[in-house]
Amino acid sequence: QKEVEQNSGPLSVPEGAIASLNCTYSDRGSQSFFWYRQYSGKSPELIMFIYSNGDKEDGRFTAQLNKASQYVSLLIRDSQPSDSATYLCAVKEGAQKLVFGQGTRLTINP
Amino acid sequence: GAVVSQHPSWVICKSGTSVKIECRSLDFQATTMFWYRQFPKQSLMLMATSNEGSKATYEQGVEKDKFLINHASLTLSTLTVTSAHPEDSSFYICSRKNTDTQYFGPGTRLTVL
Repeated sequence: QKEVEQNSGPLSVPEGAIASLNCTYSDRGSQSFFWYRQYSGKSPELIMFIYSNGDKEDGRFTAQLNKASQYVSLLIRDSQPSDSATYLCAVKEGAQKLVFGQGTRLTINP
Repeated sequence: GAVVSQHPSWVICKSGTSVKIECRSLDFQATTMFWYRQFPKQSLMLMATSNEGSKATYEQGVEKDKFLINHASLTLSTLTVTSAHPEDSSFYICSRKNTDTQYFGPGTRLTVL
């Protein structure tokens, strides 16, 4: 079983600041990486995916991938209280499975 | 809008009874769907991959005779928890494969008394 590691937090960030979430993975051959957001009591929703080294931006969200370091991160700019949630990093294993990290609980303080 | 639905959204049952959870793909025919389980403050753990018209593929440690999966049509997969016990109480979530990622249903919270 491939491993995906995240700091469980909680991570507390003031409103308007940048939240930085990190994830490492064990399989050097992994090619596809995903960030999901999960509100308490709800199911995960896809925020971003990234396949290539470097940065990928979508609105206030930026995913960063460094395959040499086996590291993927998610930056949230201008953090809002509505961003408070658990963020799950997922790595594709094989043809279709996703392996999830344990999630980082993020709290944005007004 | 939602692309995957689940029913029921929550269920409470007595120990020893069986519970069926439905997962529907609303916008796309899905030959493959996935069933996950999530305990409080833990991450999603894949239980099985549901394959339309064939047997499900179960992950290591998941009892196939206890968690029965049926994927009889291209839009519907069902998970039946047989002889449920309190330790089966969890949040069950299905998902549909979409190109390289997965879209999740809203989940079913099962409480076994």
